[in-house]
Amino acid sequence: GESVGLHLPTLSVQEGDNSIINCAYSNSASDYFIWYKQESGKGPQFIIDIRSNMDKRQGQRVTVLLNKTVKHLSLQIAATQPGDSAVYFCAEEGGAGGSYIPTFGRGTSLIVHP
Amino acid sequence: GAVVSQHPSRVICKSGTSVKIECRSLDFQATTMFWYRQFPKQSLMLMATSNEGSKATYEQGVEKDKFLINHASLTLSTLTVTSAHPEDSSFYICSARDEVGGFYGYTFGSGTRLTVV
Repeated sequence: GESVGLHLPTLSVQEGDNSIINCAYSNSASDYFIWYKQESGKGPQFIIDIRSNMDKRQGQRVTVLLNKTVKHLSLQIAATQPGDSAVYFCAEEGGAGGSYIPTFGRGTSLIVHP
Repeated sequence: GAVVSQHPSRVICKSGTSVKIECRSLDFQATTMFWYRQFPKQSLMLMATSNEGSKATYEQGVEKDKFLINHASLTLSTLTVTSAHPEDSSFYICSARDEVGGFYGYTFGSGTRLTVV
């Protein structure tokens, strides 16, 4: 996974803009990826997931893109709203030995300005 | 959807005392639960995997005698921070694994803010 112990990168956007949050994962054998949203003082909430046999998956206002060649995952949020302000984490699972315990990335803090 | 209840949400304790945090799966049975620790502006770090009816599996560097985990039923896991010190102050989060259709989903509790004074 990504380094922990470093300050979170921050993405600031205006309300209504589209947001793109990126994540680099480490294990090329991971076969399941999830994006979580964590609001201040709360636990992570599931947003969207994608399996390694797909490269794109869409939800309501959110799209996840997976590029296995470069081990990159992105979360696109359309028409970002103030309520989207939170920290977003990607997590990977699976891989050699079948360890299906989410390994979290560093996280990105999204700030939406009204 | 699956709901995980974590209690308490906040606790302040004196140095040297012990604190117990509960994690309950409300509408599903969870043979496996996970405990994470999160420092401000950092990611979640897995502390241990809690298995119903057996000993927990601790991650490297996590003291099992300090962070006692009990998973006595299919819906309840507890984390006890023993002889707490100020450096144990952190945000503790549990999650429960729910197997649906052969795949695993993970639902997180709302977290417990522990402050040791």
